[in-house]
Amino acid sequence: DIQMTQSPASLSASLEEIVTITCQASQDIGNWLAWYQQKPGKSPQLLIYGATSLADGVPSRFSGSRSGTQYSLKISRLQVEDIGIYYCQQASSAPLTFGSGTKLEIK
Amino acid sequence: EVQLVESGGGLVQPGRSLKLSCAASGFTFSNYYMAWVRQAPKKGLEWVATISTSGSRTYYPDSVKGRFTISRDNAKSSLYLQMNSLKSEDTATYYCARHVNYGSPWYYFDYWGQGVMVTVSS
Repeated sequence: DIQMTQSPASLSASLEEIVTITCQASQDIGNWLAWYQQKPGKSPQLLIYGATSLADGVPSRFSGSRSGTQYSLKISRLQVEDIGIYYCQQASSAPLTFGSGTKLEIK
Repeated sequence: EVQLVESGGGLVQPGRSLKLSCAASGFTFSNYYMAWVRQAPKKGLEWVATISTSGSRTYYPDSVKGRFTISRDNAKSSLYLQMNSLKSEDTATYYCARHVNYGSPWYYFDYWGQGVMVTVSS
């Protein structure tokens, strides 16, 4: 199974700050990675797919990048509505696996 | 508007069975692979099952293989999860989710239901 190691586990940042969350795959998954946002008490929402492509309706302050088997989600100017838990997910092979999540809070 | 509405959750004793349902609307259900994903209390996300458009192919992780069965009724735009031999570690919120491919070998999840809670306890 492909392991997805996500860091940090939690993050506190100020409004308008740049935030970066990373996910390390245990083997090559190409660009087959997604990021999801789960707001408190809500279902997850797809943010990024294909490592860098923005899903429909997602604000442009969100972006994704890849360097080898390390993937990053960047929020360019943190907003109040961005608080929640962020998960990565690999779509390279079954079983589909998620990172353990990063809880993002406002400082 | 895409809508996925789960039902059928509740409290069940270990070793017993439970069947979840998901009613889909707002899209052509028969054109999409579908899935179940669960989230234990205060924990992360875990993929549980996937079914092909026709229902002829199903996929499971080892944690539920042989105990859970995913199925669908395209005429009713409905997805199901039959859970047998339930264990305490199956306690979670179960989400119905629509799969999307975007050219990947496997699938992402582009729409999720609101989730239904399943508690396995004596």
